[in-house]
Amino acid sequence: GENVEQHPSTLSVQEGDSAVIKCTYSDSASNYFPWYKQELGKRPQLIIDIRSNVGEKKDQRIAVTLNKTAKHFSLHITETQPEDSAVYFCAASYSGGGADGLTFGKGTHLIIQP
Amino acid sequence: EAGVVQSPRYKIIEKKQPVAFWCNPISGHNTLYWYLQNLGQGPELLIRYENEEAVDDSQLPKDRFSAERLKGVDSTLKIQPAELGDSAVYLCASSPDNTDTQYFGPGTRLTVL
Repeated sequence: GENVEQHPSTLSVQEGDSAVIKCTYSDSASNYFPWYKQELGKRPQLIIDIRSNVGEKKDQRIAVTLNKTAKHFSLHITETQPEDSAVYFCAASYSGGGADGLTFGKGTHLIIQP
Repeated sequence: EAGVVQSPRYKIIEKKQPVAFWCNPISGHNTLYWYLQNLGQGPELLIRYENEEAVDDSQLPKDRFSAERLKGVDSTLKIQPAELGDSAVYLCASSPDNTDTQYFGPGTRLTVL
């Protein structure tokens, strides 16, 4: 089955700086890669996703890059703000029109220092 | 549009007791998932439904866990008997047809004493 590794487990950055979280996956058949943000005690919320036919996707201060050959993908957050503090999870799945279950990484606790 | 609804939000039981969790997906979402999230970990898939059919239950510990989605809408996840190691958050998610996006509910936090 799929295995997703995520690094770092904790990331502390100064407000206004950029943050990068990296994930690798094992199953070359995986073609859908979402990122979720989870605040303490809250539900995971999708912030951005990318499919294997695209190398990069951007939404305002958030971007995701995908390297299919190396089987890794990364989340980039620019101009970080205090409200970006949360746990971020990457995930991978195979999608053949319907949505298979996601395999998640272990999460990155992002801390934005004022 | 209402999101995924789960109840109860919190449940405390003693070991060996049964427990059930309920999920109402977003209206029109035919795919429903149950995930288990241990403290400090990412969610792990337990079971996936397409309408009323369980299409992936390979990760569901069938000796004590069961699930149903009788009319292809609401779903119930049951544990009987509960063990100390079952303490976790149980998340439900749903997805519309022909899309990948999964929307999560707030979860049920189970504590087994």
